[in-house]
Amino acid sequence: QKEVEQDPGPLSVPEGAIVSLNCTYSNSAFQYFMWYRQYSRKGPELLMYTYSSGNKEDGRFTAQVDKSSKYISLFIRDSQPSDSATYLCAIISGGSNYKLTFGKGTLLTVNP
Amino acid sequence: KAGVTQTIKTRGQQVTLSCSPISGHRSVSWYQQTPGQGLQFLFEYFSETQRNKGNFPGRFSGRQFSNSRSEMNVSTLELGDSALYLCASSPTSGGLGTQYFGPGTRLLVL
Repeated sequence: QKEVEQDPGPLSVPEGAIVSLNCTYSNSAFQYFMWYRQYSRKGPELLMYTYSSGNKEDGRFTAQVDKSSKYISLFIRDSQPSDSATYLCAIISGGSNYKLTFGKGTLLTVNP
Repeated sequence: KAGVTQTIKTRGQQVTLSCSPISGHRSVSWYQQTPGQGLQFLFEYFSETQRNKGNFPGRFSGRQFSNSRSEMNVSTLELGDSALYLCASSPTSGGLGTQYFGPGTRLLVL
C-alpha cells in the first residue's frame, strides 16, 4: 500500500461548484498535512497546512484532517476557472530526518 | 519569471542542474516529478549541509554553496531519470515552512 494515495481524477466541475479533493495515508507517524496547487508548467505553491484533526479555513479553501481515519480533504467553495490546476496533498512526519511524501495530484478543471 | 527549461541528455551522461534560491532563503530542496511516481523529494540543503535525503540512488547528489545557491548532479543517466526536476527554497529547514518552487527543468534522457 502506498503511503499516500490520491485520486488522480481528472475532475471537471462547473464554475461555482464545491470541489472536494481527498487523500488517504497509511503511516500514523505523519504529523503535518499540506495542500499544494500546481498550474501547468509551473512549480507547486503551498495553499494550506495543518497538523491537527479538524478543519482549517482560508478564504474559499478549507483543509480537513481526520487522523482516526487517516483521511485528508481540501474543499474549494465557489470554484473559479482560475482554480483549474493540479492539487497535491503532502504529508510530513516530523523530526530532523523528516519524511515528506506527496500524493500524485488531482487535476481539476473548472468550466466557466 | 522564466518558464520551464529543458535539457536533453543521452544515457550514461551526467547532468548538473542549478538553483538560485530567493534572497535570504538558506534552505534549498530538490524534487523529481514524473507522471508515474508524482512528486518525490530528493534532498534538502541548509547552510551548505545536506539536512535530509529521500529514497534515491547515490547517482543523485547535490551541494550548496555559501551564497545558498545549490546544484544537483545526476551521474550515469538512465532513461528513467527523464523527469521534471524542481527546486524549492525556504527561509527555514525541515519541509514545514512555506517552500517556494521554481518552474523546474525538464530533463529528457535519450
